[in-house]
Amino acid sequence: QVQLVESGGGVVQPGRSLRLSCAASGFTLSSYAMHWVRQAPGKGLEWMAVISYDGSDKYYADSVKGRFTISRDNSKNTLYLQMNSLRAEDTAVYYCARDRFRSPSNPSGWFDPWGQGTLVTVSS
Amino acid sequence: DIQMTQSPSSLSASVGDRVTITCRASQSISIYLNWYQQKPGKAPKLLIYGASSLQTGVPSRFSGSGSGTDFTLTISSLQPEDFATYYCQQRYSTPPTFGQGTKVEIK
Repeated sequence: QVQLVESGGGVVQPGRSLRLSCAASGFTLSSYAMHWVRQAPGKGLEWMAVISYDGSDKYYADSVKGRFTISRDNSKNTLYLQMNSLRAEDTAVYYCARDRFRSPSNPSGWFDPWGQGTLVTVSS
Repeated sequence: DIQMTQSPSSLSASVGDRVTITCRASQSISIYLNWYQQKPGKAPKLLIYGASSLQTGVPSRFSGSGSGTDFTLTISSLQPEDFATYYCQQRYSTPPTFGQGTKVEIK
């Protein structure tokens, strides 16, 4: 069964750091590009970052560039999101999602499956 | 960045109704448009990819059409399990962007 499970969310103070993990099962993580998408409470979906199948290409949303880092460990079938200098506006449910292809630049791709999400709350 | 605009933002419909949601891109995106369904407290689920291709396991009452800048998601006969929020997404260029969502509610 193809599955993604996020972990690492929680309550953190502004300016602090947090690392999210996304464990993949039922498929070989190294064959796919992977994304992080977030959803603030009551709001829509906002794409955050993508990493190619081998980690050689990474792209970020302007809102998190320089603060967040996406990475992967294919030997552990796990995707990561290191979040630094957190702000109140980063409060959201964070989802990982698998791309259809190895390269994040393939326009024919889509996000499937998605994990169940992990909630990050940035508050003092 | 390419802006995606959905309309309406919400709608009320009855079981059995035909429902149409539109999505407009700020520039041409060919057919690189996907649709997702999200129920409260759940992750989004892929419905349609490439503007009109139905994802495996998705009921045939869902269909997508369009190319260029204008796209449509149609539910031919609304079922109780279809009450949810629907998002379009463009993959033509990075960053991939989503529409603001259309919430389909029970009339």
